[in-house]
Amino acid sequence: DGGITQSPKYLFRKEGQNVTLSCEQNLNHDAMYWYRQDPGQGLRLIYYSQIVNDFQKGDIAEGYSVSREKKESFPLTVTSAQKNPTAFYLCASISTGEGNTIYFGEGSWLTVV
Amino acid sequence: ILNVEQSPQSLHVQEGDSTNFTCSFPSSNFYALHWYRWETAKSPEALFVMTLNGDEKKKGRISATLNTKEGYSYLYIKGSQPEDSATYLCAFRPTSGTYKYIFGTGTRLKVLA
Repeated sequence: DGGITQSPKYLFRKEGQNVTLSCEQNLNHDAMYWYRQDPGQGLRLIYYSQIVNDFQKGDIAEGYSVSREKKESFPLTVTSAQKNPTAFYLCASISTGEGNTIYFGEGSWLTVV
Repeated sequence: ILNVEQSPQSLHVQEGDSTNFTCSFPSSNFYALHWYRWETAKSPEALFVMTLNGDEKKKGRISATLNTKEGYSYLYIKGSQPEDSATYLCAFRPTSGTYKYIFGTGTRLKVLA
C-alpha cells in the first residue's frame, strides 16, 4: 500500500547531539514537508521541498537541516543549534496539481534530555 | 509569517448536537483551503479541498463553506457522534507559486455520549 513512513516513532537523545528523522513516501509525490507540533500548539512548518535537490525554509527552520536527494526521501536533521528540540515531528507529502490532498506520516516523538 | 487561526480551540458537545468551527486566513493571495481530521494516535486524514469563493462541500454529516473575500471557512458537523471526536485542522495555501501550506492551530472536538 502507498503511504508515508516515518522513523523512528520515539527517539530519546542527549542534549548537544544531532538527530536525523527519516521520512519515506512511495506515493510518487513531488512535494514533501516537515512540521513540528508542541503541546497545545498547531503544526508549524520547518522545511518543505517541491522537487528533488530543492527545498525552502518554513517559519521555524533555525536549528534544522534537510536534504532531498531522492524523490521518495526527505530526512530532517535536528541539530544541536535547535534550542528546544523536544517535540512531535510530522512529515507530509502531496502530489502537485489542483485539488490534491496532503498525506501524512504517523509522526515522530523526539525527547532531548 | 502568514497567520491561520481556528476557533474555538476546543469544545465539548453532547451526542446529537450540531456544531461548527471557524478557520480564518489571509484574504489576499488565496489559492486553496484544506480541512483535515486528526484522531489521536493516527495520521491526519483529508476532509475537503476548497478553492473557489462560495464553495460548499459535504461528506456525510460534515460540510464546509468558503469565503475567500473575507478570509474564512466554516466546518459544520450535524448530529455529532462520539466517533467525530478529533482535532480538526485547516490548512491554507497562498498563491505565491509555491506548494507551501500553513496550518491553523486546530479545533479539538470531544463528543460526549
